Amino acid sequence: QVTLKESGPVLVKPTETLTLTCTVSGFSLSNARMGVSWIRQPPGKALEWLAHIFSNDEKSYSTSLKSRLTISKDTSKSQVVLTMTNMDPVDTATYYCARISWYYDSSGTLSYYYYMDVWGKGTTVTVSS
Amino acid sequence: DIQMTQSPSSLSASVGDRVTITCRASQSISSYLNWYQQKPGKAPKLLIYAASSLQSGVPSRFSGSGSGTDFTLTISSLQPEDFATYYCQQSYSTLLFTFGPGTKVDIK
Repeated sequence: QVTLKESGPVLVKPTETLTLTCTVSGFSLSNARMGVSWIRQPPGKALEWLAHIFSNDEKSYSTSLKSRLTISKDTSKSQVVLTMTNMDPVDTATYYCARISWYYDSSGTLSYYYYMDVWGKGTTVTVSS
Repeated sequence: DIQMTQSPSSLSASVGDRVTITCRASQSISSYLNWYQQKPGKAPKLLIYAASSLQSGVPSRFSGSGSGTDFTLTISSLQPEDFATYYCQQSYSTLLFTFGPGTKVDIK
């Protein structure tokens, strides 16, 4: 059974750095072409993709948050870590991690299609002094 | 960056109704489009990937279509458990994933 679990502080102060950990089980972070994304959702608002990291260590970040984000993985611990610097009250949200899987269209486009098929339950982070 | 829009932003429907939600990309994304369902207080759930492929375990009343810039998610006969918010997400650019703003489906 594939599971992902987010962990981190419930409350951070403005200007502090947030560190979130996603611990995965049921699959390996070294599996070919697999990855883990971080997504957040402010209260009552839409989902926002933040960053992802693939098994080959390829990393990508949201354009608007790129300067504040760092993603890394520890394959031996089955963990993906996201840090976000200079936290602000507008960063108050539920933060999710999700597994990125893929489908290869071998009969048509000969392309890989990526999607987030298993999600953690999320962790709520409040930014307040 | 590729921008995603959805319409309508919300809709009211009755059990048994056929429901269609539209997602539009700011540039062509071929079939690199996924759909998710989210219920209040829960994590999103993958419904459709690659525009029209049904995720394992998802009821067949859900279907996806489209390519290029225009996509639709259809629920053929709305069930009580389908009242939720639906998001599209592009994966054309594996460097930058983007979600749509969501469509809330509630009870008429």
